[in-house]
This record gives sequence, C-alpha cells and structure tokens, in this order.
Amino acid sequence: QQQVKQSPQSLIVQKGGISIINCAYENTAFDYFPWYQQFPGKGPALLIAIRPDVSEKKEGRFTISFNKSAKQFSLHIMDSQPGDSATYFCAASIQGYKLSFGAGTTVTVRA
Amino acid sequence: NAGVTQTPKFQVLKTGQSMTLQCAQDMNHNSMYWYRQDPGMGLRLIYYSASEGTTDKGEVPNGYNVSRLNKREFSLRLESAAPSQTSVYFCASSEATLLHGYTFGSGTRLTVV
Repeated sequence: QQQVKQSPQSLIVQKGGISIINCAYENTAFDYFPWYQQFPGKGPALLIAIRPDVSEKKEGRFTISFNKSAKQFSLHIMDSQPGDSATYFCAASIQGYKLSFGAGTTVTVRA
Repeated sequence: NAGVTQTPKFQVLKTGQSMTLQCAQDMNHNSMYWYRQDPGMGLRLIYYSASEGTTDKGEVPNGYNVSRLNKREFSLRLESAAPSQTSVYFCASSEATLLHGYTFGSGTRLTVV
C-alpha cells in the first residue's frame, strides 16, 4: 500500500500553460516532502523540496504548495516548456530516511 | 563526474539464476538505498543502509539481499531470480542534511525470463 498517493497519472499541457500535480499522505510523522523529475533512461533527480513548517516554496517556474491540515501537497509548473516533459514523483519521509514515492505523473508539454 | 555508478545497465536472467547488482558512490555519503521501479508503482524501497556497517529492510525486501561493502559500495543480490523481479533497479545515496536530496544512479534494467 503506497504511503503517498499521486494524481493524475498523466497530463498534457500546452507550451506556456500550468501543470499541476497533487499528492496526499496519511502518516503525520512525515517531515520532508521532495519532488523528483525523471527523464527516460535516467535516474530521478531532485527538483524541489519542502518541510511542513512552510506552506509554499518557489524555485524558478516550480512551486510546491503544502497543506498540513489536509495532508496534501502539490507541484505547480508555471509557463510549461517542452523540456519539462518528464515523469514527476512526489515523495515523503521521516528525517530523510526511507523516502516513500508516489506512483508518478507523466507530463507532456505540447509545443 | 561525481555521482552514483551502477553496473550492469542491462541484464537478462533465466528464472532461478542469481546475480549481483553493483553500486558505488564517490560523494562520501553515509546513506545508500536500493529501489525498484515498476510502471504505475513509482519507486519502492528494497533495502537501505543508513551508514557503513548497517543495513535494513525496506518495503519490498523479499527475494533480495544486500551488502554494504564499505562506505562507497552497496550491492544488491538476487539469489534465485523470478519473473516478478523484472524491473528497473535504482541505487541512490544521500548525506544526512538532505540539502541535495537523494542522488540516483542511472539504473539497471533487469529482465527475468
């Protein structure tokens, strides 16, 4: 049983549009919530991460929104570009050990 | 280039055969991990090693064993491969602060026939 539920499974967005991926968790002991980006044939790479003491973190065109009471967090990709086409994974862990990953979302950005 | 190196990149095994997947990191990280990636399942933790000399089971350890040979190397062994172990295997490492998150290798694509 996955500890982190991720949706949607896939999405298609036009160049310049906004991509939104949502994740939910149950374990309130989780204290670290990263997002990873994976291109075909490569390992996942850290994109952005947040801890539960903040509600939002922004790095360039990527923003994490975190709702502690709802036990949900989301990734927003603003001004989506074809180079953003990849699979995105949310994850959660306690004190950084044993990251539990969501099932992944394949994002396709149409030019 | 600094990072996590996995070997081999591809492997085909017959049911019942054994093999060891190798992983080495040159970033002086204490923690190392083995994950498997299956379509629609994300990445699932097989085993991890919080520090040299220690190993522990993850979410899906059955059918696997690991060895933390030294601080750099963490191997995964399949003693008797089964078709259900067909997957892409990723090794990762991290430092305690998680400033840079986990660093993943490029994966080993394993097919068991």
